[in-house]
Amino acid sequence: GAGVSQSPSNKVTEKGKDVELRCDPISGHTALYWYRQRLGQGLEFLIYFQGNSAPDKSGLPSDRFSAERTGESVSTLTIQRTQQEDSAVYLCASSTRQVGGNQPQHFGDGTRLSIL
Amino acid sequence: GQNIDQPTEMTATEGAIVQINCTYQTSGFNGLFWYQQHAGEAPTFLSYNVLDGLEEKGRFSSFLSRSKGYSYLLLKELQMKDSASYLCAVRDTGGFKTIFGAGTRLFVKA
Repeated sequence: GAGVSQSPSNKVTEKGKDVELRCDPISGHTALYWYRQRLGQGLEFLIYFQGNSAPDKSGLPSDRFSAERTGESVSTLTIQRTQQEDSAVYLCASSTRQVGGNQPQHFGDGTRLSIL
Repeated sequence: GQNIDQPTEMTATEGAIVQINCTYQTSGFNGLFWYQQHAGEAPTFLSYNVLDGLEEKGRFSSFLSRSKGYSYLLLKELQMKDSASYLCAVRDTGGFKTIFGAGTRLFVKA
């Protein structure tokens, strides 16, 4: 497709279960970002991938959170043993990588995660 | 540490001009972005500044002063559809990690 695609759009699960969120970036975009947005709040950086370089995981809130990306394709964000505090919208964004240039991030519509 | 400050909410009248300020303190700087986010939707790109000065883009303009760690977004001829959250974001140097402010919710009234 033309834009960033995320799935599922909504996910409701019980506390303690594992969830896997998927992001399909825009073709040719080497950079991919995951953010968390709680209700009424700003975007909280989670992790950033750039090509085959080691990802920047500095924003992951705990070891229950992990993410993978193979090359410049799809990424998955996994949350293990979910807690109610994990309830939020998880946004994925992608961008090109051109040093010093204007490369805005293009966002997907997000996955709304609700932990019961 | 990394810190980006924006007012939480602002209200303005249709047809007027509004200025949304953003101050930042970050370990590095490689550009400042403004995004618009309507309720329940994904953020969309509005503007980018990396050098000091004003960038104009139709009804929207953005200003940057790197020495002061300050930016503003100026919206002219406000329309009801401009009611949204406006997010200020700073990109770090050495990589492409981007830190977002909490956003400013703008309400445009008739």
